[in-house]
Amino acid sequence: EDQVTQSPEALRLQEGESSSLNCSYTVSGLRGLFWYRQDPGKGPEFLFTLYSAGEEKEKERLKATLTKKESFLHITAPKPEDSATYLCAVPNYGGSQGNLIFGKGTKLSVKP
Amino acid sequence: SQTIHQWPATLVQPVGSPLSLECTVEGTSNPNLYWYRQAAGRGLQLLFYSVGIGQISSEVPQNLSASRPQDRQFILSSKKLLLSDSGFYLCAWNRGPNYGYTFGSGTRLTVV
Repeated sequence: EDQVTQSPEALRLQEGESSSLNCSYTVSGLRGLFWYRQDPGKGPEFLFTLYSAGEEKEKERLKATLTKKESFLHITAPKPEDSATYLCAVPNYGGSQGNLIFGKGTKLSVKP
Repeated sequence: SQTIHQWPATLVQPVGSPLSLECTVEGTSNPNLYWYRQAAGRGLQLLFYSVGIGQISSEVPQNLSASRPQDRQFILSSKKLLLSDSGFYLCAWNRGPNYGYTFGSGTRLTVV
């Protein structure tokens, strides 16, 4: 059973059209949720870490929020340069020391 | 500041040939090191992780192996590549449990 599920798999927006990406998780006792941005052919780039329900973090047009069961990445008035795949991840509590479990990502395309 | 280097960026290898991918981290000591493979539609799959020199844990039985000959060096190897080894390989590090990753730039491996 997947511990991290992201939706939608793909999202197409017009420039300026705000929307949200979802990341739901099934682990209990969350000890951090991480958001990354990945451009084609490159390694993921860290965006945010959220540790507790109700926490919010912002960076430019992106705002990440966290509840007890899911996280949202809100994109306000997106620009074409925001096009990328967005990944979320949580620590693996049942196995490897320190490793993260990733969702499959949401591929965002923003058209001018 | 900490940096992570991964090379080569792209590699085309024939079936049955050996493989060696290298990853080094600068600016920190005793990092946790990870090798992931990313396949289209399948997300990031953890292959190996290491919490110290000579300490390697494998998550997925396969045609690959990993070594950590020095504190900040992590190597992914294969004696004989298979077609199914093709993919995008990512090295990452963190300080330990509940910390986010910093990723390398990735290696695109194509086995022909």
